Amino acid sequence: DIQMTQSPSSLSASVGDRVTITCRASQSISSYLNWYQQKPGKAPKLLIYAASSLQSGVPSRFSGSGSGTDFTLTISSLQPEDFATYFCQQSYTTPHTFGQGTELEIK
Amino acid sequence: EVQLLESGGGLVQPGGSLRLSCAASGFTFTSFAMSWVRQAPGKGLEWVSGISGSGGSTYYADSVKGRFTISRDNSKTTLYLQMNSLRADDTAVYYCAKTLRCSSSSCYRGDGFDYWGQGTLVTVSS
Repeated sequence: DIQMTQSPSSLSASVGDRVTITCRASQSISSYLNWYQQKPGKAPKLLIYAASSLQSGVPSRFSGSGSGTDFTLTISSLQPEDFATYFCQQSYTTPHTFGQGTELEIK
Repeated sequence: EVQLLESGGGLVQPGGSLRLSCAASGFTFTSFAMSWVRQAPGKGLEWVSGISGSGGSTYYADSVKGRFTISRDNSKTTLYLQMNSLRADDTAVYYCAKTLRCSSSSCYRGDGFDYWGQGTLVTVSS
């Protein structure tokens, strides 16, 4: 199975900050990398698919990059509603494994 | 409007069985692969199983292979997960999710999950 490793596991930041979360795959997954946001008690929400494609309705302050094994999610200017947990997921092959998550907290 | 509504969760004893359902509406059900994803209390997301739009291809995580069976009834636009030989570590909220796009008809490869249900809690305990 492909292992997905996110860093950091948690992050404290302030409104207006630029934040970057990284995700590394244990083998090449081309650009089959997705990012989700999850708030407590809610289902995950798709933010980015195919490494860099912004899902419809997602604010443009979210962006993704990378290919092969190394990927990043960037939030250009944090808003209060962005404090949540973020997960990456590979959809290159089954099982479509997730990273362990990055909890983004208010500083 | 796309809607996914899970049902069937509850409390079950170790070794027992449960069948989850996910009623879908608002999109052409047969055209999209579907998956089940679970989340144990306080933990991360775990992909459990997936099925192609036709139902002809199915996939499982090693942790559930041989115990869980995914299926779909396209005439009823409903996704199912039959769970047998349940264990304490199967305790989780189970979500059904719609695949945005597949790279092939079998859909072992594709893009992310663009719609999710609200989740149904499965608790395995004596």
